[in-house]
Amino acid sequence: EFVLTQSPGTLSLSPGDRATLSCRASQSVGSRFLAWYQQKAGQAPRLLIYGDSSRATGIPDRFSGSGSGTDFTLTISRLEPEDFAVYYCQHYGWSRWTFGQGTKVEIK
Amino acid sequence: EVQLVESGGGLVQPGRSLKLSCTTSGFTFGDYAMSWIRQAPGKGLEWVAFIRNKAYGGTTEYAASVRDRFTISRDDSKSIATLEMNSLKTEDTALYYCARVDLLVWFGEMYYFDHWGQGSLVTVSS
Repeated sequence: EFVLTQSPGTLSLSPGDRATLSCRASQSVGSRFLAWYQQKAGQAPRLLIYGDSSRATGIPDRFSGSGSGTDFTLTISRLEPEDFAVYYCQHYGWSRWTFGQGTKVEIK
Repeated sequence: EVQLVESGGGLVQPGRSLKLSCTTSGFTFGDYAMSWIRQAPGKGLEWVAFIRNKAYGGTTEYAASVRDRFTISRDDSKSIATLEMNSLKTEDTALYYCARVDLLVWFGEMYYFDHWGQGSLVTVSS
């Protein structure tokens, strides 16, 4: 069974800090098959990154995605107050979509 | 502005059926694939069903947990996507999101969810 594992489960940081979120695939998935979403409490998810590293329309450049193979990273260069939320990675492959379990970025 | 609005959720007994609709506007519906994703209370996201647009054959895909019970369809003339859910189980209780699906193509292809509705709550309980 293909699994995406996100770490850490919770990241406690302050505004202005750099956030590094990890997403590890249970097997190599090559390149361009990964996306990242942000979900704030009570809201629908919002697309941040697709194709591993392409920012979605309207997403600030403090958000960046990187990685290939089994290890992928979402980096938020300087946290703004509105960035505290849950983040999910998502893989597409074999006509299936798999989400990681999420990383919560909370205010320290 | 792209908009997706889900409707049709509610309380239903185990074993019964329910139909969700996703009414869209702000884009050419027929140009896009559509999908349903659900989120159980306090849990993460789970992909449920997907339908390609007619240019790609209008074919469907389902998560193993709902295959043979759920059916996704689309009406391009009304810009609506639908999820018919049969033989509902308590574990199907979730907020069901409708999402527009965009496609990245190089020598491969990657479908991702670029716009989401606000969700429709389905509660399966006796």
